[in-house]
Amino acid sequence: ETGVTQTPRHLVMGMTNKKSLKCEQHLGHNAMYWYKQSAKKPLELMFVYSLEERVENNSVPSRFSPECPNSSHLFLHLHTLQPEDSALYLCASSQQGAGGTQYFGPGTRLTVL
Amino acid sequence: QKEVEQNSGPLSVPEGAIASLNCTYSDRGSQSFFWYRQYSGKSPELIMFIYSNGDKEDGRFTAQLNKASQYVSLLIRDSQPSDSATYLCAAPFQGAQKLVFGQGTRLTINP
Repeated sequence: ETGVTQTPRHLVMGMTNKKSLKCEQHLGHNAMYWYKQSAKKPLELMFVYSLEERVENNSVPSRFSPECPNSSHLFLHLHTLQPEDSALYLCASSQQGAGGTQYFGPGTRLTVL
Repeated sequence: QKEVEQNSGPLSVPEGAIASLNCTYSDRGSQSFFWYRQYSGKSPELIMFIYSNGDKEDGRFTAQLNKASQYVSLLIRDSQPSDSATYLCAAPFQGAQKLVFGQGTRLTINP
């Protein structure tokens, strides 16, 4: 595997389900990010982890819970989501902080019924 | 004022012409700027980054930066239908603690 990978690529879940999105970077980077991209809206930064510590949380609802067990892996745990949470969820990584070049994974297309 | 601002388009350019995409930013402390291309349903991919005032060329792409005017642009020469995509401008803010993206410009190259 190379670059940034994300699983699953597509996810359909009900509002009462609990699921997790996984991201793995194979670039040796030390920062990882979750973004949300809704239709016809700009990228919204959700969470930033630098050196495995959360450094940014952009007022994201608590039904989204990130986890970064090491510098290569990032998870987004989902529970009791709403239909308006349906979007493309993108993971990215970079070296030397958020101001550096970010490389994106392919994304998870999430649909909440 | 939005931190990074782009015209959302759509911008329509005939094949073979020059496509010009523009971006303004509000943080004078920003030192680096990025252009990403995003095809429909796909994730953003990096095209170019620029740090210094002036022009930076890479193949058919030229990034232009004017820090005094807080303006960065991307020129695409000899536009191809495969260049049709949304182009995102990004800049770091808050002492490079985060990268902020513009809303993107949708570009269509007409054969």
